[in-house]
Amino acid sequence: AQSVSQHNHHVILSEAASLELGCNYSYGGTVNLFWYVQYPGQHLQLLLKYFSGDPLVKGIKGFEAEFIKSKFSFNLRKPSVQWSDTAEYFCAVKSPSNTGKLIFGQGTTLQVKP
Amino acid sequence: GAGVSQSPSNKVTEKGKDVELRCDPISGHTALYWYRQSLGQGLEFLIYFQGNSAPDKSGLPSDRFSAERTGGSVSTLTIQRTQQEDSAVYLCASSPAGRDYNEQFFGPGTRLTVL
Repeated sequence: AQSVSQHNHHVILSEAASLELGCNYSYGGTVNLFWYVQYPGQHLQLLLKYFSGDPLVKGIKGFEAEFIKSKFSFNLRKPSVQWSDTAEYFCAVKSPSNTGKLIFGQGTTLQVKP
Repeated sequence: GAGVSQSPSNKVTEKGKDVELRCDPISGHTALYWYRQSLGQGLEFLIYFQGNSAPDKSGLPSDRFSAERTGGSVSTLTIQRTQQEDSAVYLCASSPAGRDYNEQFFGPGTRLTVL
């Protein structure tokens, strides 16, 4: 079965530090990959997505992710985090079935200290 | 425009009672998904609707869980004889189509607590 693994469950950084959150998936075929973010008290919202083309994807709020097919990875990065980036981050892959359902990783809680 | 809405935002119930959770998707979105977010389990898919039919119910954890969608719009997730392990945040998401669309739009969720 398809699965998504996020390596870091809880990350604590100081403002201006660089961020990289790991994400690996298990499916070997064509994949559609997503990072969602959930700020405290808010809905899940899309940060960025990869469907095809340039493997380096840029999203909102200065986030980017790189799809590395050979490593089955889609790591999220940001050069300099801000206190407002404190949130929970979810990596997801779209199921290859006919439904489009998302399969999520366990999530990573990011705490940025001011 | 209006996003996905869910009601109630919080529900506390006693073990053994039935509960109904409601989702209003974005107008015109034909695909609707229910997910569950619980401690230790992350975000899990429950059921997918395309229009009023549910071609994928594979994530429903037991026959106590059911869902319906009427008029291609509002969906209700029903949990019968609730158990403490049903405590979770139930999320609804919609998209203009199913497998071929790039993004699902999530609602705020319903936090269910079973005492």
